[in-house]
Amino acid sequence: SQQGEEDPQALSIQEGENATMNCSYKTSINNLQWYRQNSGRGLVHLILIRSNEREKHSGRLRVTLDTSKKSSSLLITASRAADTASYFCATAAYNTDKLIFGTGTRLQVFP
Amino acid sequence: GAGVSQSPRYKVAKRGQDVALRCDPISGHVSLFWYQQALGQGPEFLTYFQNEAQLDKSGLPSDRFFAERPEGSVSTLKIQRTQQEDSAVYLCASSDRLAGGGVDEQFFGPGTRLTVL
Repeated sequence: SQQGEEDPQALSIQEGENATMNCSYKTSINNLQWYRQNSGRGLVHLILIRSNEREKHSGRLRVTLDTSKKSSSLLITASRAADTASYFCATAAYNTDKLIFGTGTRLQVFP
Repeated sequence: GAGVSQSPRYKVAKRGQDVALRCDPISGHVSLFWYQQALGQGPEFLTYFQNEAQLDKSGLPSDRFFAERPEGSVSTLKIQRTQQEDSAVYLCASSDRLAGGGVDEQFFGPGTRLTVL
């Protein structure tokens, strides 16, 4: 069963707007990662935030992590049509060997 | 450099047939993972190899599912007597990190879409 819940399930915005998606998880983690999946393709790693970090930036991406609330958010600024994809959070626990994925957010960016 | 490759990209099987899905990880990556992704869902862990050793197979849904990585590089996921509920995308991922200390970034292949009729 999947650990993460993401909301919204789907999000439609115009190019240039910001997109925010949220992830909640259930157990203690070592790190939390965000992946993007374009239609019919594999997952691409976007960013990783460790349990002792609260915020991380990478280009137009900003990730926050609140371990007390077991939640994370991904902000994509100045969105582009090419950002249209499904976005998944994935958690990695200590002393484990697998990623536990959330249910995903489908983002549609209209030109 | 080459990424993770999977073959076939699409497979249609009749219920009851056996199928074999192949994964070629990034050269030198010691860790290899298989995930199953149902339509509209996130990937779910199936099994993990460190080199040729299968260290975790807790996600395999039944004994009809079998995975191997005999030489520590290419891996094959075999599904025997396929059922309709096996229809999904099967994703392979590799990493140059040893797991067990917390998994970092994984590199995913494009997946094999299996349809069981």
